[in-house]
Amino acid sequence: QKEVEQDPGPLSVPEGAIVSLNCTYSNSAFQYFMWYRQYSRKGPELLMYTYSSGNKEDGRFTAQVDKSSKYISLFIRDSQPSDSATYLCAMGAAGTASKLTFGTGTRLQVTL
Amino acid sequence: DTGVSQNPRHKITKRGQNVTFRCDPISEHNRLYWYRQTLGQGPEFLTYFQNEAQLEKSRLLSDRFSAERPKGSFSTLEIQRTEQGDSAMYLCASSLALSTANEKLFFGSGTQLSVL
Repeated sequence: QKEVEQDPGPLSVPEGAIVSLNCTYSNSAFQYFMWYRQYSRKGPELLMYTYSSGNKEDGRFTAQVDKSSKYISLFIRDSQPSDSATYLCAMGAAGTASKLTFGTGTRLQVTL
Repeated sequence: DTGVSQNPRHKITKRGQNVTFRCDPISEHNRLYWYRQTLGQGPEFLTYFQNEAQLEKSRLLSDRFSAERPKGSFSTLEIQRTEQGDSAMYLCASSLALSTANEKLFFGSGTQLSVL
């Protein structure tokens, strides 16, 4: 079993929809959690960074972390065609620098 | 452009040849990381440097792989005697590590390696 599980999709939604992306993890040592967006043939781009359970909002993006359930989510409101990309969750343990463990990524397609 | 820069963007080589990739991190960042990403998978950690010191290497990094970061600036990743299984996107990332809790990793666009 992988340490981080993420549904690979693809996930197709109409423009304006609310998108929910999720990851589960098994390693209790993970303390900080990130979401990256990756366009085709590009490197991952940091979207959200959280260090504790709860919600964090940034514009149209909301990240949720539930450490008790080992479950994290990213919500995208008012989705746009430019949001079409692969979304990767990533997590790391305290004291391990940024040796991150990534999910496989979920491919999102936002259609007009 | 003040982001992480990687060269070349693409590299095609024949099995058995040596290849070298270069990464220029964000200028004030003290940590530099190498990750590898294969199709349909997330990036996997390979190694990282704090300034010029290589602090950790993943078990994924076989003896054929070597990385350097002379003077704590740019870094190179060399693969000797390439194998078809080395075909992947090699990603470089950098961070400003003031404390672990606040470290955010910024990636370059990667070097896509194809071994024929």
